[in-house]
Amino acid sequence: QKEVEQDPGPLSVPEGAIVSLNCTYSNSAFQYFMWYRQYSRKGPELLMYTYSSGNKEDGRFTAQVDKSSKYISLFIRDSQPSDSATYLCAMSAVGGGTSYGKLTFGQGTILTVHP
Amino acid sequence: DADVTQTPRNRITKTGKRIMLECSQTKGHDRMYWYRQDPGLGLRLIYYSFDVKDINKGEISDGYSVSRQAQAKFSLSLESAIPNQTALYFCATSDPFYTGQHGPDTQYFGPGTRLTVL
Repeated sequence: QKEVEQDPGPLSVPEGAIVSLNCTYSNSAFQYFMWYRQYSRKGPELLMYTYSSGNKEDGRFTAQVDKSSKYISLFIRDSQPSDSATYLCAMSAVGGGTSYGKLTFGQGTILTVHP
Repeated sequence: DADVTQTPRNRITKTGKRIMLECSQTKGHDRMYWYRQDPGLGLRLIYYSFDVKDINKGEISDGYSVSRQAQAKFSLSLESAIPNQTALYFCATSDPFYTGQHGPDTQYFGPGTRLTVL
């Protein structure tokens, strides 16, 4: 069983829809939960992160973590064609500083938002 | 100019050939990484380096080797390429103190190298 599971999709939605992307994990040591966005022919870039449980909002994006269920979500409101990309969840047990916070990635979900 | 660059961007080679992928960065970060990305498998860590004298194996290092020539340069070699090494390869860098001691070790990725081994 993979430590992090993510439905690869693909997911296709109309412009303006609310998108929900999800990951489950098995390692209870994970404390940092990240979402990376990867456009076609580009490298992933960090979209947002959450420490431990709870919600975090950044514009049209909301990240949620439920540690009791080992489940994280990324919601995109009023989705736009420019949101079309692959979204990867990533997790680590350790943060920055002198320690090494190895990232464990999900498989990535391919999202297309059509006009 | 891009902060993390990779060369070549695309490469087609034959089984048994030696291949080197190069990564350069202008971010001034000490930590550098090599990943491969395969459909359905996500990103998997091959090697990582915290400084010029520090090289560590990742989860899938067999068949690969690396060289950290300078703080800004980290190369990945396939000594004898095989078809199942066909993948998208990414270099990444990080500064563990960028987001503070209570943030993740944010990684910054290059644009990737698409490698095909025939």
